[in-house]
Amino acid sequence: QSALTQPASVSGSPGQSITISCTGTSSDVGDYNYVSWYQQHPGKAPKLMIYEVSNRPSGVSNRFSGSKSGNTASLTISGLQAEDEADYYCSSYTTSSTLAYVFGTGTKVTVL
Amino acid sequence: EVQLVQSGAEVKKPGESLKISCKGSGYSFTSYWIDWVRQMPGKGLEWMGIIYPGDYDTRYSPSFQGQVTISADKSISTAYLQWSSLKASDTAMYYCVRRSGSLRALDYWGQGTLVTVSS
Repeated sequence: QSALTQPASVSGSPGQSITISCTGTSSDVGDYNYVSWYQQHPGKAPKLMIYEVSNRPSGVSNRFSGSKSGNTASLTISGLQAEDEADYYCSSYTTSSTLAYVFGTGTKVTVL
Repeated sequence: EVQLVQSGAEVKKPGESLKISCKGSGYSFTSYWIDWVRQMPGKGLEWMGIIYPGDYDTRYSPSFQGQVTISADKSISTAYLQWSSLKASDTAMYYCVRRSGSLRALDYWGQGTLVTVSS
């Protein structure tokens, strides 16, 4: 199972909006609405930010939003803040086997 | 409060065996799958496998099948990841994570266990 493809880095100025793409195949992103996004600050464990493509867990800022079209999912961060600087990973269920999971390659978000 | 507390960092030599642990609390441990995720130094997240402590049903990523063993002891709410013969390439941070059935996502993460394999 190959990793989902994300851009290595995305940057933006405070207050701007940025979008991170996550491209998979018809066997993962395209076949399930179970795309999640995780934020990881240096030296910390990842944190769930978005589940089921576009839902936010309790406590996650509404500046984070998700969407999906075909085999590509996207995470948008609006009103970019310094604290948003982190690595972001998408993930999806995959048809390769029951309950199998696949992560994206990861994107480093830099706040300029 | 849901918590997954992992065992401490380990330094091992190639060829040695190792078993790391992940203790859950604050929820019904037998009602949720536990995933294991690897993160090699400076690299991304890799899904290793999953176990259901309720009946010990276990699945592995093809990349890790035969390389590690995932187990659990529901009597003490603990999941395990073990190696029979470590390699230098096993050096990584390992996370246990609760998989939420309702969210179809990994909602609670352990703090991670750093495994260093070096001669």
